[in-house]
Amino acid sequence: AQTVTQSQPEMSVQEAETVTLSCTYDTSESDYYLFWYKQPPSRQMILVIRQEAYKQQNATENRFSVNFQKAAKSFSLKISDSQLGDAAMYFCAYRSAAGANNLFFGTGTRLTVIP
Amino acid sequence: EAQVTQNPRYLITVTGKKLTVTCSQNMNHEYMSWYRQDPGLGLRQIYYSMNVEVTDKGDVPEGYKVSRKEKRNFPLILESPSPNQTSLYFCASSSPGLARYEQYFGPGTRLTVT
Repeated sequence: AQTVTQSQPEMSVQEAETVTLSCTYDTSESDYYLFWYKQPPSRQMILVIRQEAYKQQNATENRFSVNFQKAAKSFSLKISDSQLGDAAMYFCAYRSAAGANNLFFGTGTRLTVIP
Repeated sequence: EAQVTQNPRYLITVTGKKLTVTCSQNMNHEYMSWYRQDPGLGLRQIYYSMNVEVTDKGDVPEGYKVSRKEKRNFPLILESPSPNQTSLYFCASSSPGLARYEQYFGPGTRLTVT
């Protein structure tokens, strides 16, 4: 099974600053999707950004962007101009492009935003 | 409004008392899944279904059952709950070809087994 590793259990950032959350994964597949999900205190899982492995261009969604390094199997999330509402647990997730409908999640990074 | 609903949202029960957590989606999605979330472990898939009457085990299926008799519903059944099934449970749905298999999650069910 694929494994997803988030090595930073907790991170903090000053409001308006930039923070990068790390994620690495292990797979032998060449085609797959990667996701970052946000889980605020409400516990709702909210999709932040997705990346298709066949695309070399890094995905961007407003203040959120990723650094996708396929050879290194790395998928970090950069949050620019951090806001208080960004405080949450962030999960990195992997999904194969073929086969079973299964998301493999990392263990999460809790982000604190300091006013 | 497109959504995945779960009921109940909170449940406290005792060991051995059968329970069912319901999940329903109104997006006509083929795929549905159940995950459990535990501190330090992230989310792990329990069971999934690729269509009506088609279900399969995920990574942590022991102690759980599911059924998919209708496309919109995917209940999770705990025949004899035990304290190690105390967790936060999420139902999710998705459809191939839409938004690169993005999964839509329900609001979660907090289960405590004493």
